[in-house]
Amino acid sequence: ETGVTQSPTHLIKTRGQQVTLRCSSQSGHNTVSWYQQALGQGPQFIFQYYREEENGRGNFPPRFSGLQFPNYSSELNVNALELDDSALYLCASSLQSGRRETQYFGPGTRLLVL
Amino acid sequence: GESVGLHLPTLSVQEGDNSIINCAYSNSASDYFIWYKQESGKGPQFIIDIRSNMDKRQGQRVTVLLNKTVKHLSLQIAATQPGDSAVYFCAENIGRGTSYGKLTFGQGTILTVHP
Repeated sequence: ETGVTQSPTHLIKTRGQQVTLRCSSQSGHNTVSWYQQALGQGPQFIFQYYREEENGRGNFPPRFSGLQFPNYSSELNVNALELDDSALYLCASSLQSGRRETQYFGPGTRLLVL
Repeated sequence: GESVGLHLPTLSVQEGDNSIINCAYSNSASDYFIWYKQESGKGPQFIIDIRSNMDKRQGQRVTVLLNKTVKHLSLQIAATQPGDSAVYFCAENIGRGTSYGKLTFGQGTILTVHP
């Protein structure tokens, strides 16, 4: 177990709706990254938060947004859901923000958009 | 562009054999690589990492080899067990500009271990 938890485990939404996914980082980790993993693919980096500020972003539109809280829990928000947003959403925590910091993943939230 | 890819999408071995999973990367500036194991319904699990100033690193039953000349990474699993059956991803930490801390994953190799 990595000590990283996510909720909910599964979620079904319809196109156009909004969704909030939650992550609780490993104790003491001040950095959280979010990834989207489509079926049969490797995870794709969405963004990273360090000390409550966005600290890097991948090729995802602004309707993907996030928050990190002082207790290092975090949220991923997706507005105006599209069918292609159906995927496993993973959060990963690391001790620090950096190029060589090991990221520990949670079990993910599987989102289905109908 | 930057990418990390795998040569073999599937690998089947017998229990007790050694397994080798390969990965190619294209960004010559990459300096940190990680192997993850992902079982069905779970998130990626860290196996082992290696920095670019090394060419080999060993863990428990696993060895990672890095060949920077040809931009190739491999994961060796000794005495493979049925519990090793999973998808294995190599990942690269880009760590520059707005992608600081970003991990770039390959597509994955499915390892199946037959008893």
